[in-house]
Amino acid sequence: ILNVEQSPQSLHVQEGDSTNFTCSFPSSNFYALHWYRWETAKSPEALFVMTLNGDEKKKGRISATLNTKEGYSYLYIKGSQPEDSATYLCASSSNDYKLSFGAGTTVTVRA
Amino acid sequence: NAGVMQNPRHLVRRRGQEARLRCSPVKGHSHVYWYRQLPEEGLKFMVYLQKENIIDESGMPKERFSAEFPKEGPSILRIQQVVRGDSAAYFCASSPISGGATDTQYFGPGTRLTVL
Repeated sequence: ILNVEQSPQSLHVQEGDSTNFTCSFPSSNFYALHWYRWETAKSPEALFVMTLNGDEKKKGRISATLNTKEGYSYLYIKGSQPEDSATYLCASSSNDYKLSFGAGTTVTVRA
Repeated sequence: NAGVMQNPRHLVRRRGQEARLRCSPVKGHSHVYWYRQLPEEGLKFMVYLQKENIIDESGMPKERFSAEFPKEGPSILRIQQVVRGDSAAYFCASSPISGGATDTQYFGPGTRLTVL
């Protein structure tokens, strides 16, 4: 079982501002890092899967980086919009299908 | 293109009753995973199934919990003689190919179980 931690637990950002938050995971036995976006009452939506140290992925205004040596990933939201309000989950996996999730970072974008 | 469907979305049971949670994976997906989210915690792996086979149930409590994924029909997570500690959100996910670390798992909206 991988101990995945996310910080901060929640954050508020003004519309138009950019923000970022962290996912840390044990770097030993690491294989892949998954990011999900989860709106209340909906299904968690897959954003990225990353495996290699230095990986960067981008989807619209959301991007993520990965540092496997030190065991962390950052997720960035550029020019936040109200529709970006959600809980962002990260999950780490070793060499199999079991995802170990953090508790999430809840982002609230204020208009 | 329907995603993963779960029903019911909310389920209330009294202690000692049975809870039956259903999951229909994305069409064409033959790999199903169940996760449980206790209050204030992250999702935790319970069981991984392929059609008609339980591949890994290492995260599932040994007693009262069972899961199946029949050849036809949805995957079922069954909890017998529920207790208050079973109150949680139960999520199902599916993937199209063999369960691997880099495969995207597509999640359903969850079933929130409340045990009175």
